[in-house]
Amino acid sequence: DIVMTQSPDSLAVSLGERATINCKSSQSVLYSSNNKNYLAWYQQKPGQPPKLLIYWASTRESGVPDRFSGSGSGTDFTLTIISLQAEDVAVYYCHQYYSTPYTFGQGTKLEIK
Amino acid sequence: EVRLLESGGGLVQPGGSLRLSCAASGFTFSTYAMSWVRQAPGKGLEWVSVISDSGGSTYYADSVKGRFTISRDNSKNMLYLQMNSLRAEDTAVYYCAKDGCSSTRCYINYWGQGTLVTVSS
Repeated sequence: DIVMTQSPDSLAVSLGERATINCKSSQSVLYSSNNKNYLAWYQQKPGQPPKLLIYWASTRESGVPDRFSGSGSGTDFTLTIISLQAEDVAVYYCHQYYSTPYTFGQGTKLEIK
Repeated sequence: EVRLLESGGGLVQPGGSLRLSCAASGFTFSTYAMSWVRQAPGKGLEWVSVISDSGGSTYYADSVKGRFTISRDNSKNMLYLQMNSLRAEDTAVYYCAKDGCSSTRCYINYWGQGTLVTVSS
């Protein structure tokens, strides 16, 4: 199974500042035949289901603010939120869909400093 | 608008069975893979199962393999999860989820509100 490890587990950032969340997979999720990374990022606010932010590691979902961006390839990925807003307080998860069983990272709790 | 409405959750004794249903609307159900993901109280997300658009391919987490069965009825726009031999560790909110592709190797792009399953005596 591919193990997804996020860092840090929690993060406090000031409003308007940058937040960076890392995700490392135990094996590559890059499929060489189409050069796509099978990696997504989700945001989950309390009492709500998760919401898709990023897929294929760097493609922003329609309607997601452009302050959210994803980067990385192979085994190391990053979700960056520039100019943090109050509504960005949530838990963020990375998710690999490269091979079953699909797996999620343990989550990173983002708070306002 | 994509809508996914789960039902069938509740309290069940260890060793018991439960069948979850998910009514889908707002998209062409038969052309997308569908998934179940669960979340134990206060914990993170755990992928449970996925089924291809036609229902011909299914995959499971090791923790539920042999006990849970995913299925779909494309004529009714319905997704199901039959859960047998339930254990206390199966207690969670179960989310019905729509994949972004027809194949099973795909991200989830929509989630239902979830249904709570509690396994306890």
